[in-house]
Amino acid sequence: ETGVTQTPRHLVMGMTNKKSLKCEQHLGHNAMYWYKQSAKKPLELMFVYNFKEQTENNSVPSRFSPECPNSSHLFLHLHTLQPEDSALYLCASSQGRASGGVYNEQFFGPGTRLTVL
Amino acid sequence: GENVEQHPSTLSVQEGDSAVIKCTYSDSASNYFPWYKQELGKRPQLIIDIRSNVGEKKDQRIAVTLNKTAKHFSLHITETQPEDSAVYFCAASMGYGQNFVFGPGTRLSVLP
Repeated sequence: ETGVTQTPRHLVMGMTNKKSLKCEQHLGHNAMYWYKQSAKKPLELMFVYNFKEQTENNSVPSRFSPECPNSSHLFLHLHTLQPEDSALYLCASSQGRASGGVYNEQFFGPGTRLTVL
Repeated sequence: GENVEQHPSTLSVQEGDSAVIKCTYSDSASNYFPWYKQELGKRPQLIIDIRSNVGEKKDQRIAVTLNKTAKHFSLHITETQPEDSAVYFCAASMGYGQNFVFGPGTRLSVLP
């Protein structure tokens, strides 16, 4: 598959579980992002990684832990979540800061629909 | 930080009519303004963008205008078609994806 892929596409977990979301981009980009999409806040930026370094953390609770082992992969580790964390989690990628592209289109993955019971 | 407002939240138009969605932003340092379209059950996709050195940009039935002095920008869709029905998000950024802030979205319905 090309573009940005995410697994799993659907996830149901209890509040005491630990799970991870995975994102992979096949576009040669250097920046990756996690967004939360819910009815209350349609597209809420969570984390930004540029060349594997976290450059932005928008006051996200510590029960969400991102990991970016390389420019092509991004993970979101989840533990002790709350029911209000149920949402669609979207990953995106773009060219990134040092690539010479000042204005960078973000390419989104299909998302992981998370339900916390 | 940046704050982006978007109006209206919902918009219904007859097929063939025009649709206009407006956004305002707060940070004068923002210089990149993309518009994304998200169809039901699908991922957001870029449809058009504008940069701070341009006042207007057009791509077939879609156009975007930017007023940096007033800090607002608008999406114009002419000759709307049922397949234009979706949620549209505006965003403001200082480039490189930093401080990439989305508006709350506008749900557009094009009625046949």
